[in-house]
Parts: sequence; C-alpha cells; structure tokens
Amino acid sequence: NAGVTQTPKFRILKIGQSMTLQCTQDMNHNYMYWYRQDPGMGLKLIYYSVGAGITDKGEVPNGYNVSRSTTEDFPLRLELAAPSQTSVYFCASSYKGNTPGELFFGEGSRLTVL
Amino acid sequence: AQSVTQLGSHVSVSEGALVLLRCNYSSSVPPYLFWYVQYPNQGLQLLLKYTSAATLVKGINGFEAEFKKSETSFHLTKPSAHMSDAAEYFCAVSGEKLTFGKGITLSVRP
Repeated sequence: NAGVTQTPKFRILKIGQSMTLQCTQDMNHNYMYWYRQDPGMGLKLIYYSVGAGITDKGEVPNGYNVSRSTTEDFPLRLELAAPSQTSVYFCASSYKGNTPGELFFGEGSRLTVL
Repeated sequence: AQSVTQLGSHVSVSEGALVLLRCNYSSSVPPYLFWYVQYPNQGLQLLLKYTSAATLVKGINGFEAEFKKSETSFHLTKPSAHMSDAAEYFCAVSGEKLTFGKGITLSVRP
C-alpha cells in the first residue's frame, strides 16, 4: 500500500494564479482531510470529507475549495493564490472504525505564493 | 472549549538523556489523546494514542506517555534519547473535534 499520496511536493505560484493539490489514498478510508501547517502554529483544518460526495468546511476554508467524487481522491483547489496561502499542506485520511483522531498523513505539499 | 497546550517551542537534550515533552489539554468530553511525530520534510505519523484502556501508553521507538486526568496532562517520555529522535512532536486531543498543539522541536546533541 502506498498510503496517502500527495502531488506536487513543491510548487511556486504567482499571486492570482490557481492550482490544484492532488491527494489520493489506497486504504479505502472513509474520511479525508486537508490541513495547512505554518511554523509555530500547529495544524489547521481546511476542509474534510466523510465520504464520496460529502465535504465540509474546517477552521480555515477561505480561499480553498474541495471535491470528493471518489473514495480515493480528495483534491484541494486554490482559486486566486495569495501570499497568505504560502504554507505546507497535508492531506490525511482515517477509517471510520478507528479511534477518532487517528490519522494517516501524506508527505506534504510545500506551496509558495510570490 | 477544547485546547492543547505544548509549552515552549524547542527542547534540546543530550544523546542518552531523558526526553520529556509536556502536553496539557482541556476537553468537555472524555478525550482521546495522541502524540504524532514529524521527521524533517515528512508528514506526521502516529507515535502513540490514549483511548481509556490504560493510563500508561507505550508507542513506537521506545516512547511512552501517561494520561493523568487530575492534571489534564499527557506528557511524552523516553528514558534515553537517540540522535534519530530529532523531530517535531505534536500532541493532539480528540473530543468534540481533533485539535493539534503547536508542536515542539526536539534536538538531540551528540
């Protein structure tokens, strides 16, 4: 099993550009999440999904959109990139039967907006 | 409101010394508690978890943590630090929702 796979690992965007961060998992997990990590701030939840076709906002959803058309994939879209979106983004997944909060993380996507 | 407090941002220990990383939490419901570790340029991985089965929890790589309800704490310890333990460590609480602490960086001196 590959686990949670994120692409790209690194990306530089110009202000106002758009892009999609890809996330796929091969563990047949119901739940998927997008977090952003900023130095000294821990992880903040952007969006999450409890299953295909169902998504909901987390703490910091502004400037982002998601979709979940399949169990495996949960892409994160940035529409009009802003410097405040410079961050490391982590996708994670969990199984409904596991302990709530036990997540499996991807290796991250480092985004810089200039 | 649910919260996690990890005091300080950086801890430095000598190789072979005791590692103690502190975590205090607040939760209005009985919590599940976690420690995650993040090695450089990697994602977070689960180190150990508390699910109410036992107050002393053992994890991977020789780490353990003790749940103390009266102190609302879940401190992480390891008797003898190894160079490979250098990483960032996150405490997390899952009650009403999942909340991560701000993380603490562990450095290990030769």
